[in-house]
Amino acid sequence: AQSVTQPDIHITVSEGASLELRCNYSYGATPYLFWYVQSPGQGLQLLLKYFSGDTLVQGIKGFEAEFKRSQSSFNLRKPSVHWSDAAEYFCAVAFMDSSYKLIFGSGTRLLVRP
Amino acid sequence: GAVVSQHPSRVICKSGTSVKIECRSLDFQATTMFWYRQFPKKSLMLMATSNEGSKATYEQGVEKDKFLINHASLTLSTLTVTSAHPEDSSFYICSARGETASYEQYFGPGTRLTVT
Repeated sequence: AQSVTQPDIHITVSEGASLELRCNYSYGATPYLFWYVQSPGQGLQLLLKYFSGDTLVQGIKGFEAEFKRSQSSFNLRKPSVHWSDAAEYFCAVAFMDSSYKLIFGSGTRLLVRP
Repeated sequence: GAVVSQHPSRVICKSGTSVKIECRSLDFQATTMFWYRQFPKKSLMLMATSNEGSKATYEQGVEKDKFLINHASLTLSTLTVTSAHPEDSSFYICSARGETASYEQYFGPGTRLTVT
């Protein structure tokens, strides 16, 4: 079965420190990969996506993610976190043979220490 | 581009009544729309997929008679929660997919439903 794992429920980092949020998926085919951010009471904002090509993708707000096929991973990174980055982050995958329905991870809540 | 709106953003209704939530694609034609439910501090759960002009496809465990979905046009889908109960209180989010880029969904801002 297709699934997405975000192993970290909460992550706390100091403002200015680097950040890495982990995401792994299970399935054999190459997925379409997404990272979304959700502020409290809000909808989802797309940070970045990977479909094909260069495995290091750049997104909005200084985020980037790297697709590693051998590890079935798509980790999100940011070199220097800002207090406004505190939010919930969701990794999602879609597969052609399931009509590109999005499968979401359970989310990682990012807390930023001043 | 690719803006999706939802209305209302918040709604409070009494137990036993029905409430309708609208999802609109403002600047593109959405051949497919999705409805998700999100419980507090939880991830999004896909409820159903609707294609314009045809019946919605519900995910396992979702009551289709309780959550009525209509996708009457390429820019509008509605979710009606019938005979609402307090346990239906949740955050409902829609997304839309266009005719091109079939792998990409654009999300609405969500609707907070509270049933008293």
